[in-house]
Amino acid sequence: QSVLTQPPSVSAAPGQKVTISCSGSSSNIGKNYVSWYQQVPGTAPKFLIYDNNKRPSGTPDRFSGSKSGTSATLGITGLQTGDEADYYCGTWDSSLSAVVFGGGTKLTVL
Amino acid sequence: ELQLVESGGVLVQPGRSLRLSCAASGFTFDDYAMHWVRQAPGKGLEWVSGINWTSGRRQYADSVKGRFTISRDNAKNSLYLQMNSLRAEDTALYYCAKDIYGGASGEIDSWGQGTLVTVSS
Repeated sequence: QSVLTQPPSVSAAPGQKVTISCSGSSSNIGKNYVSWYQQVPGTAPKFLIYDNNKRPSGTPDRFSGSKSGTSATLGITGLQTGDEADYYCGTWDSSLSAVVFGGGTKLTVL
Repeated sequence: ELQLVESGGVLVQPGRSLRLSCAASGFTFDDYAMHWVRQAPGKGLEWVSGINWTSGRRQYADSVKGRFTISRDNAKNSLYLQMNSLRAEDTALYYCAKDIYGGASGEIDSWGQGTLVTVSS
């Protein structure tokens, strides 16, 4: 059972928008920066968002991140079939002194 | 180009030991914290251990504390994971990963391709 809670799956049509939630607590999301990762099955994770809402070079501006209290959200607009992947949130947990990840959300672009 | 290349993953019997290595290139290795993250077959990401840029701070997941030891050799641009008393539940693809900061923030901007550890009799 993951420290951070994500929905197991989300889906939407090409061109539409989708959001993926990540719920934590005061010792992790409530206190530290959140990052997001994209993993296409069979490949290594890819860095998508850091410091809650910043995009590294290479991440399209269709991807956005936000944080409020003990929850974070990844938004993806203009969905493309190439966006189909598993998405993970991650952060530092100050009580556990450990990095924690969500269980992952499988995005299906119908 | 930044590269992280893991090695050392094999099939090993329960209770035995194994040492994973990660060769880093394409960036100033001793400026950044490093991590090991694993992924069991069909499962999600699980952080295993992290080490800051000076090796002065090392952290471990509860599931491996006391059995695994992370280390780094900045002169060799290398990261290591010594794994003792291996269990079946340690079976996973182990990724070497680079933090965006020197102080092990947990925000990871680069990942290797992984090395597979299988613990089975």
